[in-house]
Amino acid sequence: QVQLVQSGAEVKKPGASVKVSCKASGYIFRDYGISWVRQAPGRGLEWMGWISAKNGHTNSAQKFQDRVTMTADTSKSTAYMDLRSLRSDDSAFYYCARVAIASGDWPSDYWGQGTLVTVSS
Amino acid sequence: DIQVTQSPSSLSASVGDNITITCRASQNIINYLHWYRQKPGRAPELLIFSVSSLQSGVSSRFSGSGYGTEFTLTISGLQPADFAIYYCQQTYSPPFTFGPGTKVDIE
Repeated sequence: QVQLVQSGAEVKKPGASVKVSCKASGYIFRDYGISWVRQAPGRGLEWMGWISAKNGHTNSAQKFQDRVTMTADTSKSTAYMDLRSLRSDDSAFYYCARVAIASGDWPSDYWGQGTLVTVSS
Repeated sequence: DIQVTQSPSSLSASVGDNITITCRASQNIINYLHWYRQKPGRAPELLIFSVSSLQSGVSSRFSGSGYGTEFTLTISGLQPADFAIYYCQQTYSPPFTFGPGTKVDIE
């Protein structure tokens, strides 16, 4: 069965970086993309960007473009999201989700369990 | 960026009720519209993709319709597990924005 397992909770100081991993299983990793979505406590879902596991192509929301790096290691079936220059308002749950590229309309059909990132001095 | 709105922002209903949630996009997104449910403390889960296609394993009590800029999610015969927050998402053009969510709680 399809599973996305994310790395554990992180506590970071303002200005630091965090790298969240998302290990995929149960499907051919390179046939799909991975999107990253975050959710601050009590707030809605915010799309950060996505990466094609096939060719590494990325697209990120403008507000994150200068701070986020998304990568995919096909040998490990694992995607990574690196967010730099952390601020207190980056405290949130970060989710990875599988993007069904072949469907043509790209829904996120399977989700990781979420990784809580807390930014605090 | 394409703006996505939802209405209502919240609603109260009883088990067995039928409810409808509306999602509107700021421009034509054709059929690039998906619906997710998020239960408390859990990750979102895909219910419906491409406006009206039911995700595998999802109850037929869920249905979707619409085209262009206005879309609806209908839940027939609400069950206890359906009391959650529902989000729509457009994937016509990046950034793939989500609506602000509709909270469905027990009346």
